[in-house]
Amino acid sequence: AQSVTQLDSHVSVSEGTPVLLRCNYSSSYSPSLFWYVQHPNKGLQLLLKYTSAATLVKGINGFEAEFKKSETSFHLTKPSAHMSDAAEYFCVVISEDSNYQLIWGAGTKLIIKP
Amino acid sequence: DVKVTQSSRYLVKRTGEKVFLECVQDMDHENMFWYRQDPGLGLRLIYFSYDVKMKEKGDIPEGYSVSREKKERFSLILESASTNQTSMYLCASRRQGVEDTQYFGPGTRLTVL
Repeated sequence: AQSVTQLDSHVSVSEGTPVLLRCNYSSSYSPSLFWYVQHPNKGLQLLLKYTSAATLVKGINGFEAEFKKSETSFHLTKPSAHMSDAAEYFCVVISEDSNYQLIWGAGTKLIIKP
Repeated sequence: DVKVTQSSRYLVKRTGEKVFLECVQDMDHENMFWYRQDPGLGLRLIYFSYDVKMKEKGDIPEGYSVSREKKERFSLILESASTNQTSMYLCASRRQGVEDTQYFGPGTRLTVL
């Protein structure tokens, strides 16, 4: 069955240092993958998406993610963390069985230390 | 700007009560979704609707029902609320054929006592 695994439930970095949020997926073919962000007391927002075009995808707020089929990974990175990046991040894949459904990772809470 | 609104941000109900959660979107989207979000579990799909009066069960439909009488409105109903339905409920909408982007409401935090 398809699945998405976010390898860390919490990631803590200092402001100005790089961010890495890890995501692995399982899929029988090249999937469509996304990262969503949820700031405290705000709705979920699409950060970026991969839909079989360029493997390096740029999103909002300086984030990017690289699709690596050989590693079945779609890790989210940012060169320099900002305090406003503190939020929960979700890795998501479209279901192979139904394009209505999204399969969600459990989420990673990003904590930014001053 | 796409806007998805939910009727309440916070709701407290008692066990056995009937609960209605309302969601309205203003972008004429065909598809609408109800999720619940619990810590460590991500989002789980309860029901979705691909058009007016159409509905499909998601992964965890037990204890819930839905209604979509108008395109812009999708209601989630808890017929008899139970404590294990205490959760954050999120509504989303999406244009038919554009699989990649769902637009989310702010959520309703429901507590069942």
